[in-house]
Amino acid sequence: SQTIHQWPATLVQPVGSPLSLECTVEGTSNPNLYWYRQAAGRGLQLLFYSVGIGQISSEVPQNLSASRPQDRQFILSSKKLLLSDSGFYLCAWINGAGTEAFFGQGTRLTVV
Amino acid sequence: QKEVEQNSGPLSVPEGAIASLNCTYSDRGSQSFFWYRQYSGKSPELIMSIYSNGDKEDGRFTAQLNKASQYVSLLIRDSQPSDSATYLCAVSGGGFKTIFGAGTRLFVKA
Repeated sequence: SQTIHQWPATLVQPVGSPLSLECTVEGTSNPNLYWYRQAAGRGLQLLFYSVGIGQISSEVPQNLSASRPQDRQFILSSKKLLLSDSGFYLCAWINGAGTEAFFGQGTRLTVV
Repeated sequence: QKEVEQNSGPLSVPEGAIASLNCTYSDRGSQSFFWYRQYSGKSPELIMSIYSNGDKEDGRFTAQLNKASQYVSLLIRDSQPSDSATYLCAVSGGGFKTIFGAGTRLFVKA
């Protein structure tokens, strides 16, 4: 069965510092991978999705970027964090038909 | 106009009652519809999916889809306190984008 590993679970970073969140998937090949952000009390905002190595689609212009260096690895990065980047970041695997979806445990990022 | 809209709630129902959660979407080309449950501080969990008009039942949960009205709902029968969570509606156009609504908070009072 598919498993998504996402770390760290909690992160407190100062404004202007860099960010790197990693997500790895087990139990499937060539997965469609997604990064979502959830602000407190809000829904999930789609940030990036990737259908394969090196293929990244950005949904919202911002100071975040994503990379897919390996088939089962998806990384979310920032060179300089803003206060508004605080939130709950979720990595997800959703199959092509959209009939199955698995989320990582999430990373709660607080930018101070 | 938001792509997927839900009443944020909170929706409060007594234990044993039916909870009714609603969702509307803007893209008429949408093909797949999902309900996720999210407990506070946790990741969303897929509980129901529906693809064709009508009702789909799974245990105490029933999803209802009306594509003409661009409306999807979730009914929870015999609501339990453990059902208290935020319920997220999600819509996919058959491609690679799954769009989520903001969620409805449900409280089931014992």
